[in-house]
Amino acid sequence: DVKVTQSSRYLVKRTGEKVFLECVQDMDHENMFWYRQDPGLGLRLIYFSYDVKMKEKGDIPEGYSVSREKKERFSLILESASTNQTSMYLCASSSRHNSPLHFGNGTRLTVT
Amino acid sequence: KNEVEQSPQNLTAQEGEFITINCSYSVGISALHWLQQHPGGGIVSLFMLSSGKKKHGRLIATINIQEKHSSLHITASHPRDSAVYICAVPPYNTDKLIFGTGTRLQVFP
Repeated sequence: DVKVTQSSRYLVKRTGEKVFLECVQDMDHENMFWYRQDPGLGLRLIYFSYDVKMKEKGDIPEGYSVSREKKERFSLILESASTNQTSMYLCASSSRHNSPLHFGNGTRLTVT
Repeated sequence: KNEVEQSPQNLTAQEGEFITINCSYSVGISALHWLQQHPGGGIVSLFMLSSGKKKHGRLIATINIQEKHSSLHITASHPRDSAVYICAVPPYNTDKLIFGTGTRLQVFP
């Protein structure tokens, strides 16, 4: 079974802190995604990576950056956390082209 | 108008009832995903389909590509089916998904 592991289930950070969210997948998937999920807004794509060191902005990239130095790991970085970044963050991976998406369990981030 | 619309937004049912959740989309696609999210839990992929019908246990998914519509059916619903069900589509030539806002299902004993 594919496993997508997010490093933290719950995280509390202060405004202005730099925050790293880590995601690791064990199935050699090319595609990796970072989403945030907010009530009433559904899942929104922050960044997408289709290969090592390759990335594309999603729908809401402002305030975020990503890093993919190794195929199995995709990191989401909040350069200077703000209260409007309080959310559930979900990482996912898939093989190329019309293959099922595998999600991590999510990280609930609170910025105070 | 959203590119992926789900209905209903909320659904309550008694145990044993037949459930239908609908998804309509406006973009050209080659496949459609149905996902399930339990409260406080991660998201699980239920189906990915590009034509016809797929069945897994009590869950059945159908798609009509020409009409740009898909349905998720649950037969003999059970309280453990209570979850949010999400429809998602990848437009042609992209692996990025567009998500519906989900249908919240509650099944009571």
